[in-house]
This record gives sequence, structure tokens and C-alpha cells, in this order.
Amino acid sequence: GAGVSQTPSNKVTEKGKYVELRCDPISGHTALYWYRQSLGQGPEFLIYFQGTGAADDSGLPNDRFFAVRPEGSVSTLKIQRTERGDSAVYLCASSLRQGTYEQYFGPGTRLTVT
Amino acid sequence: GQQLNQSPQSMFIQEGEDVSMNCTSSSIFNTWLWYKQDPGEGPVLLIALYKAGELTSNGRLTAQFGITRKDSFLNISASIPSDVGIYFCAGLERGAQKLVFGQGTRLTINP
Repeated sequence: GAGVSQTPSNKVTEKGKYVELRCDPISGHTALYWYRQSLGQGPEFLIYFQGTGAADDSGLPNDRFFAVRPEGSVSTLKIQRTERGDSAVYLCASSLRQGTYEQYFGPGTRLTVT
Repeated sequence: GQQLNQSPQSMFIQEGEDVSMNCTSSSIFNTWLWYKQDPGEGPVLLIALYKAGELTSNGRLTAQFGITRKDSFLNISASIPSDVGIYFCAGLERGAQKLVFGQGTRLTINP
């Protein structure tokens, strides 16, 4: 389809392990966002890319979290030394360009840290 | 992190009834968005509002951007079973790109 895609849809990992979550934005969208959604809550902002650069990473909770978008399209969210508190649904969204406000979300990756 | 205050938290209604929910903030927002989320899915954009006082419809859904810029409202008329889900409001401050979300309103429709 033409929407935002995320892989994997589910990821179970052990505490202390490293994980990578991938996001493919809508074709032609230059802005990409990562959000985290805990059970029963609304999504919370993590990081925003305009093109290849992280324009705002103020939502990343600590330095175990890092995201890249090397070619301005696909993005990878990386979490080092995972903790049980990292368990959540990680959502990716894209919008046409900076200054447009309609963000379109992918289905999310459900991360469970055991 | 900052979140909007959304109410009610849950609603139990009969099919065919109208639904109203709202979202308030202590901050001024320049854009309000309303999303619907089904289990296991990402939020789906329903309506976007860009001007204070703006009233916008999408089928049976109508949303309004409050004149104070600190609130927004969503109405659903003549509810049907597929309206079941969680509705989120989200706001954007001036110059910002990150959405701030409410806690959601869970809508349940009794047959």
C-alpha cells in the first residue's frame, strides 16, 4: 500500500539486548516522526527528521535511544541495553514537508522487553 | 510529558446516538488534529483544524477549533458500530512539529 509501513510488527527481546525498529514513510514525504505509546495513553513524541537530519530529538528519553535516516527516506530507531520500561508501541509518522501539519501514522511496532 | 486533557475518558452509547468529546490545554495551539485508533493499528487522521473558530466536517464527524485556541471538540452524529475505537485529539504549538496528544476517549457502542 501507499501508507507508512513499520517492521517488525512485534518484537520480543530480553532485558539488556539491542533492538532496531524500521520505518518506511509515505513516498515523497520529507518529514518523519517517531512516537512512543504506552498502554492506555496517547502517543508521546520522541524525535523528528526533516530530510536526513534530526531537527528535534527532545523527546528521546535517554542516550540509549538513537534514530537515523541516512538517505532521507527510511528511518531506524535504535535502542541499546533495553529495559522493561521500554516496552511500548513505537509509532512512526510522516508528513509531506516541514510546515505541513497532517501527520500520517504507521501501524506501529509493539516492543516487549522481558 | 505534556498531554492534553481529553474527556470523557470513555463513553458507552447506543447505536444511533450522537457523541461529543472535547480536549483542553493550558497552552495555545495553532493546529488541532483528531485521530481514531483501532486495536493493533496506528492512529488514523480524521480531521485537521487550522484556525480559531473553524468548524470542519468529515461525513458524520464534525470538529471545532475553540476560539481561545486552548480547546477543541469532536462530534459524531448517528453513531454506527464501526465508530467503536479510541479517539485522540492532538495539538501543535506555533513553530513546532511535534504533536501533543490527549489521553484518548474510548467509544463503545451497545448493540
